[in-house]
Amino acid sequence: QVQLQESGPGLVKPSETLSLTCTVSDGSINSYSLSWFRQPPGKGLECIGYIYYGGTTTYNPSLKSRVTILLDTSKSQFSLKLRSVTAADTAVYYCARSGLTMAQENWGQGTLVTVSS
Amino acid sequence: DIQMTQSPSTLSASVGDRVTITCRATQSINSWLAWYQQKPGKAPKLLIYKASSLESGVPSRFSGSGSGTEFTLTISSLQPDDFATYYCQQYNSFWTFGQGTKVEIK
Repeated sequence: QVQLQESGPGLVKPSETLSLTCTVSDGSINSYSLSWFRQPPGKGLECIGYIYYGGTTTYNPSLKSRVTILLDTSKSQFSLKLRSVTAADTAVYYCARSGLTMAQENWGQGTLVTVSS
Repeated sequence: DIQMTQSPSTLSASVGDRVTITCRATQSINSWLAWYQQKPGKAPKLLIYKASSLESGVPSRFSGSGSGTEFTLTISSLQPDDFATYYCQQYNSFWTFGQGTKVEIK
């Protein structure tokens, strides 16, 4: 069973950069797509962006100016950087992967990131 | 962006009930629709992909149907483990989710 694990700071100051890494087990980094989602407390799911096998990225239009997703196949990791954060970016952040189904078959457990001074 | 609207937002049901959740897209997404189940404090779990295909390991009481702009998730006989929030997601263009349907105990 593929496992994903998010890591990174749980507290980020306003105007700074949120940085998270997702580690993918068992070599499944070469998936159809690898993606980041977030869920503010008590609210629904939002896609931040995704990277296809081969390196093409697609970002949420509302976040595009602040987001970068990168892939490091040598470490079986992909990363998220979200710049100039505000309290509105406080959320549980999830990484996920899709394979043959093209939907998100495997998810990390999620990590709460709070934006606060 | 394609907007996804689920109905109802909340559903009260009893064990054994047949439950149907509807998801509508603002434009055609062909069959590029998935359904997820999420329990409090947990990551979403894929139930259905490509509108009607059952993910491996998911009980057969879950089924999906539809194409174009209107889709349904049906639970044929609600079980205690099924009380959760359900989300639809389109992946025809930039991925977007419905607002969720919470299935509560009646």
